[in-house]
Amino acid sequence: NAGVMQNPRHLVRRRGQEARLRCSPMKGHSHVYWYRQLPEEGLKFMVYLQKENIIDESGMPKERFSAEFPKEGPSILRIQQVVRGDSAAYFCASSRDSPPYEQYFGPGTRLTVT
Amino acid sequence: KQEVTQIPAALSVPEGENLVLNCSFTDSAIYNLQWFRQDPGKGLTSLLLIQSSQREQTSGRLNASLDKSSGRSTLYIAASQPGDSATYLCAVCTDKLIFGTGTRLQVFP
Repeated sequence: NAGVMQNPRHLVRRRGQEARLRCSPMKGHSHVYWYRQLPEEGLKFMVYLQKENIIDESGMPKERFSAEFPKEGPSILRIQQVVRGDSAAYFCASSRDSPPYEQYFGPGTRLTVT
Repeated sequence: KQEVTQIPAALSVPEGENLVLNCSFTDSAIYNLQWFRQDPGKGLTSLLLIQSSQREQTSGRLNASLDKSSGRSTLYIAASQPGDSATYLCAVCTDKLIFGTGTRLQVFP
C-alpha cells in the first residue's frame, strides 16, 4: 500500500511564474490536507479538502493560492505569480476520514523561487 | 486560539543519555496529540499518537505522555543514539493539526 505521493519533490520557479504541486493520497483516503513549512519555521495548516469540496481554507493566503481535489486524479495546490516569500516546503497529508482520524504525510515539495 | 510551544528549541547531548522533550498547548480541547520526527530536507515520520483519553504511549525507546488538563506532553527518549538526531515536532489535533516549532536534537558519539 503506497503512502502519500507528492510531485515534484523539488520545483524551481522564477518570480511571476505559476507553481503546481500535486498530491496523491493513500489508497482508500478521501481527505487531503496541505501544510506549508517556511524556512526555520513550523508547519502551518493551509487547507483541508475532500473530493470535490474545500472544507477548511482558513490557512490559505487570500490571493494567488488555490487548491482542488477533483473526483479523479490528485489534489493540486496552485500558486500563481510566485514571489520569493513563497519559497518553502509544502507537505500534503491524507486521512481515511475527517479529523481526528490520523493523517499520513507525504515527503513534501520544496519550492524555490528565484 | 490554540498555540503549541516546544522547549527546548535545540538540544545537544552525548550518546547514551535519556532525554525529555516538552510540548505545551493553550487549549485543552484536543482530540489527540502526535509526535513526529523530521530529518533535514525530509518529510515527517509519525512516532507516537496519544488519544485525548490516554495518558501515555510507548514505542521502543520512546515514551510519550499527555496531561490534557495542564496542556502538556513530554516525549522521553531512552538511551539516545546518534541516529536519533533530527527535529522533533509535536502537533495537537482539533479540527486540524497545529504544530509546535520543534526541538532540534543532536546526539553526538
